[in-house]
Amino acid sequence: NAGVTQTPKFQVLKTGQSMTLQCAQDMNHEYMSWYRQDPGMGLRLIHYSVGAGITDQGEVPNGYNVSRSTTEDFPLRLLSAAPSQTSVYFCASSYSGLAKGRTDTQYFGPGTRLTVL
Amino acid sequence: AQKVTQAQTEISVVEKEDVTLDCVYETRDTTYYLFWYKQPPSGELVFLIRRNSFDEQNEISGRYSWNFQKSTSSFNFTITASQVVDSAVYFCALSEAVNYGQNFVFGPGTRLSVLP
Repeated sequence: NAGVTQTPKFQVLKTGQSMTLQCAQDMNHEYMSWYRQDPGMGLRLIHYSVGAGITDQGEVPNGYNVSRSTTEDFPLRLLSAAPSQTSVYFCASSYSGLAKGRTDTQYFGPGTRLTVL
Repeated sequence: AQKVTQAQTEISVVEKEDVTLDCVYETRDTTYYLFWYKQPPSGELVFLIRRNSFDEQNEISGRYSWNFQKSTSSFNFTITASQVVDSAVYFCALSEAVNYGQNFVFGPGTRLSVLP
């Protein structure tokens, strides 16, 4: 079980460039999410997905796109990078089974540190 | 709307001291879940505990203990006999049952420095 994996670990972009941050999980989790972490602000939700083919916006979705074609993968696309998108990005996954009493949580990937110049 | 407040931005203690990290939350949901995560200098997020709103029992795990009080909307975290390895940023988080997994709301974090 690799858990949640993210690539790349580090990335430097120039303003206006596009790129895709990859996220994959092998736990068969229904829910997957993308967060960004900025100093003093904790983690903020960008987009999330409750299953293959279903995505929705979180708190800070502008400038990002997502898709979920499989249960395992949930890539995050930056369409035209801006310096304000310099951040650490975390992907997370979880079961949807809280109603069934699972003592579970979100599992986080190791993060991608993105710098936009 | 849900919100998590961690009023302590940074705390410094000397090794072996006890330290309590505060977490205050807001939610309109009657069923919700509270979490604590640790983020060491290496950057990964480590799950520490989850507490369900319908279970107000306090919990102890080794040197860690958690005090959940619905009356004050608080979920405080105490480290007893702190060690240098406890130095990290600690996040409190909340997820309402109605949209669990879809939205975890995190507090801004408390940076704990344990000095030798």
